[in-house]
Amino acid sequence: EDKVVQSPLSLVVHEGDTVTLNCSYEVTNFRSLLWYKQEKKAPTFLFMLTSSGIEKKSGRLSSILDKKELFSILNITATQTGDSAVYLCALFNQAGTALIFGKGTTLSVSS
Amino acid sequence: ETGVTQSPTHLIKTRGQQVTLRCSSQSGHNTVSWYQQALGQGPQFIFQYYREEENGRGNFPPRFSGLQFPNYSSELNVNALELDDSALYLCASSSAPTGPYEQYFGPGTRLTVT
Repeated sequence: EDKVVQSPLSLVVHEGDTVTLNCSYEVTNFRSLLWYKQEKKAPTFLFMLTSSGIEKKSGRLSSILDKKELFSILNITATQTGDSAVYLCALFNQAGTALIFGKGTTLSVSS
Repeated sequence: ETGVTQSPTHLIKTRGQQVTLRCSSQSGHNTVSWYQQALGQGPQFIFQYYREEENGRGNFPPRFSGLQFPNYSSELNVNALELDDSALYLCASSSAPTGPYEQYFGPGTRLTVT
């Protein structure tokens, strides 16, 4: 059965800290891994990773995929209170028609 | 470019009733997927619509049904509502029916069943 496991489930840090969020997976027929940020309602797309070892960056956020060890990490440097959110990791199912999500990591950044 | 929109924002229904939720896809996108997100959980796939037909379904009973219209907008219908149907219902649109592709989500409809 396809599975996505995120850790930790919750995290509290101070502004300026660097955080690393983890996503491990078991999936048949890997296509790509996606990261989303969910603040109130709509998950906002962050990254899509398809190839191992190639880092994707957007400002203070970066992510990398390891297809051999079946995991991905999302790094956030110099955290700000606006980074407080639930971060979701997702992979496509075998048919490629649906995303399978982890439970998410709730990040709280205090000032 | 218009993003994904959903209506209504909130809805309160009684057990046994029926509900219809609506979604307009992002411009240029022809595929719509629906997800249910219970509190504290990640979204769970309900089904996908492509070319006005269901193109994949998750582990949801037949009382969850949908439609896609020629302009790619979509509806999710739920019959015989149960208390466990209380959740955030998210619609996502994409430019293709099979991955890898980016799915863009709407703001969701919060359904409460009492």
